[in-house]
Amino acid sequence: DTGVSQDPRHKITKRGQNVTFRCDPISEHNRLYWYRQTLGQGPEFLTYFQNEAQLEKSRLLSDRFSAERPKGSFSTLEIQRTEQGDSAMYLCASSPGTGGEKLFFGSGTQLSVL
Amino acid sequence: AQSVAQPEDQVNVAEGNPLTVKCTYSVSGNPYLFWYVQYPNRGLQFLLKYITGDNLVKGSYGFEAEFNKSQTSFHLKKPSALVSDSALYFCAVRDLQNYGGSQGNLIFGKGTKLSVKP
Repeated sequence: DTGVSQDPRHKITKRGQNVTFRCDPISEHNRLYWYRQTLGQGPEFLTYFQNEAQLEKSRLLSDRFSAERPKGSFSTLEIQRTEQGDSAMYLCASSPGTGGEKLFFGSGTQLSVL
Repeated sequence: AQSVAQPEDQVNVAEGNPLTVKCTYSVSGNPYLFWYVQYPNRGLQFLLKYITGDNLVKGSYGFEAEFNKSQTSFHLKKPSALVSDSALYFCAVRDLQNYGGSQGNLIFGKGTKLSVKP
């Protein structure tokens, strides 16, 4: 499978705990995006990398959220001191960056904060 | 503010009939418009996009969409629906107001659930 993969598929955590998600984009894609989706809503943009550089970040994103892409390949999204409102599906997408921006999405990580 | 609206939460169609899923947008400047589909337990998949050129855009799986500037609409259409088309459909517009670095910073609508009955 050469698509975008995300790990884990599901994560249940207690309020106040830290969680980390991983995304492996399609290998030749230099752009990587994180989105968040709650039930009944469309995906909401969180942040974007071009290679290892984090170029944009949503103004709505709490400082408890941090993302990295250290070698320009896989990316991690960490949420510190989780809150119940963080419960959502976290989606990763990648694109080749050649224009037109057809995004390729992973299946997501479903986070439940108890 | 830039936005996308999908006025219908659900669309029900009989197999073989034409289908339309509605989308209207509000942007400053020329819009970059997209349709994505989400099947259960799977990631969103790109269907089609409008950047410039012909107002009728053809995409994957026999879908097409018509860009109408005067009505600020970008409705998704298919001449003959299949049961396998049943899924969640999202309209999206590039967020040019807040993010200029990448065309991938999209504003998505809430989605429309399409149900095609045999």
